[in-house]
This record gives sequence, C-alpha cells and structure tokens, in this order.
Amino acid sequence: DQQVKQNSPSLSVQEGRISILNCDYTNSMFDYFLWYKKYPAEGPTFLISISSIKDKNEDGRFTVFLNKSAKHLSLHIVPSQPGDSAVYFCAASYGGSQGNLIFGKGTKLSVKP
Amino acid sequence: NAGVTQTPKFRILKIGQSMTLQCAQDMNHNYMYWYRQDPGMGLKLIYYSVGAGITDKGEVPNGYNVSRSTTEDFPLRLELAAPSQTSVYFCASIGAGTPESVGYTFGSGTRLTVV
Repeated sequence: DQQVKQNSPSLSVQEGRISILNCDYTNSMFDYFLWYKKYPAEGPTFLISISSIKDKNEDGRFTVFLNKSAKHLSLHIVPSQPGDSAVYFCAASYGGSQGNLIFGKGTKLSVKP
Repeated sequence: NAGVTQTPKFRILKIGQSMTLQCAQDMNHNYMYWYRQDPGMGLKLIYYSVGAGITDKGEVPNGYNVSRSTTEDFPLRLELAAPSQTSVYFCASIGAGTPESVGYTFGSGTRLTVV
C-alpha cells in the first residue's frame, strides 16, 4: 500500500515553460516532505523540502506547495531548463528531517530545447 | 571529497553467494540508511542506524543484515543471494540537528545483479 504516490511516470515540457510535478500522500502523520532529483547512474540529490507547518517554500527556480487538507504537494520549476531533465522523487517522513523517508515511484521530467 | 562512498559500483553474484556492500561517510553523521531501488519503483528502506551500535529494520529487511561498529561505516550484508535481490542499492546519511533545508546525502549506488 503506497503511502506516497506520484501518478505521472513522465512529463515533457518545453524549455522556458513551467514544469509541475505532483505528489499525493495518505498518512496524515507525515510532517516533512522533500523532493529529490536523480540523474542516471547517480544517487538522488536533495532539491527542496517543506515542513507541514508551511504551505509554500521557494528556492530559486524551485517552489514546493503543500496542501494538507488534500494531502497533496507539488513542485514547480520556472523556467524549466534542459539540465532539469531527470527523475524527480517525492518523499515524506514523520520524524522531521532525520526521520525515515518514504519515497514515491518518481516522475521522469524531460525538458526539450 | 566529503560525502557518502559506496563500493563496489557494480557486482554480479550467483544465486546462493554472499557479499557485503560497503558504505562510508566522512561527515560525522549519526544517521545512516540503506535503500534499494527496483526498476520503475521508488526507494525502499532496508535498514537504518541512528548511531554506532544501533541498527533497526526498515520496510524490506529480509535477506539482509547490517552492523554499525563505527560512526563512519555502515556495511550491508547479503547472505544467500536470490534473484529478487537484483536491484540498485543506495546508502544515505544525515547528521543530527541538520537544518530542514538540507536532506539526506546519498551515495552513488551499487548495482547488483543476481543470476
């Protein structure tokens, strides 16, 4: 039973446009959410996070939105660049930043020049 | 370079063989984790450790063992390898008190094939 779901296996966008990646979760005890980016043959790298007391966190071109009532979060990338092409994993924990992370299956983003 | 180092990067095992996947970090992190990623799937937690001498099971621990005798090292042992253990294995770490703006640091992975 998946607690963290990324229902879109892939997403293709044009360079310069907005990329929106979505994630749903089922466990209301989660208090910390993260996005990781992964290139082939590399380990995941941390991108951005948000705690459950916030509804938005921004870092440069990346913004994460959290809707607790809908148990939904999204990652916005504006503007998208070809170097953003990677697999993006949504993850959640109920122990803060040191808690065990539960990952979604990932969404493969392709940004076309 | 500071970070999480995993060895080997690739390995082919025969059914029934055993091996140890090595993981070392030089950031003095208390928390260390082993995940596996199967094709098209997310990462699943195998074992984790909150400090030297302390380990605990994650979501998919069967067929694996771990030890944590030092802060730096967290080896993962596979006994009696099975084809179901074909996967990419990632080790990760994070320090106590790490700000929420910093996530786990992952190693580059070990790709294991059991034939």
